[in-house]
Amino acid sequence: GAGVSQSPSNKVTEKGKDVELRCDPISGHTALYWYRQSLGQGLEFLIYFQGNSAPDKSGLPSDRFSAERTGGSVSTLTIQRTQQEDSAVYLCASSLIVARELTEAFFGQGTRLTVV
Amino acid sequence: GDSVTQMEGPVTLSEEAFLTINCTYTATGYPSLFWYVQYPGEGLQLLLKATKADDKGSNKGFEATYRKETTSFHLEKGSVQVSDSAVYFCALLSGGYQKVTFGTGTKLQVIP
Repeated sequence: GAGVSQSPSNKVTEKGKDVELRCDPISGHTALYWYRQSLGQGLEFLIYFQGNSAPDKSGLPSDRFSAERTGGSVSTLTIQRTQQEDSAVYLCASSLIVARELTEAFFGQGTRLTVV
Repeated sequence: GDSVTQMEGPVTLSEEAFLTINCTYTATGYPSLFWYVQYPGEGLQLLLKATKADDKGSNKGFEATYRKETTSFHLEKGSVQVSDSAVYFCALLSGGYQKVTFGTGTKLQVIP
């Protein structure tokens, strides 16, 4: 696609419910990142994919968080048993490999998650 | 591990003032360095980048020079406008894991 697409753009969920957030990266971008941006906070790294594998999951805050990527394209971030502290904007980014080097990351508009 | 440290905001300036937002980094090898900008209500977008020492990235009147000796990539603009009000993020892309690491962001508010 023309840019990184995330859905839904907004999600309000009840505490304890599971949510799935979707990211559709730019076509051909093999690297995909998930970040979280809480109100007034910076960007918190969650997970990084290279193709379908995730060499770095160090940022996932708890075992309630998981992510997968299939076909080297679309990625889904799943949050189980949501808590109020999960409320944030979840950002996805993708980047291209050129001559075995990653280029800059392009971001989607984010999914604003509100847990009530 | 890799890290990026930015000056804390918010930074409030009058229109046409000179802007500096400091950024220093810690990384192994020779990272690429970036400044991203997030305008109110919008997503992050790349402002400028530099891929090797002494490179200067520039865009929209903003500049930043990759200083390996001081591990810095300070953002500057000679004359800010109200439309520059946004949050600015310094970031690095390192080899190895090749993960993008961001600073915490600096909010800039320009008043007329």
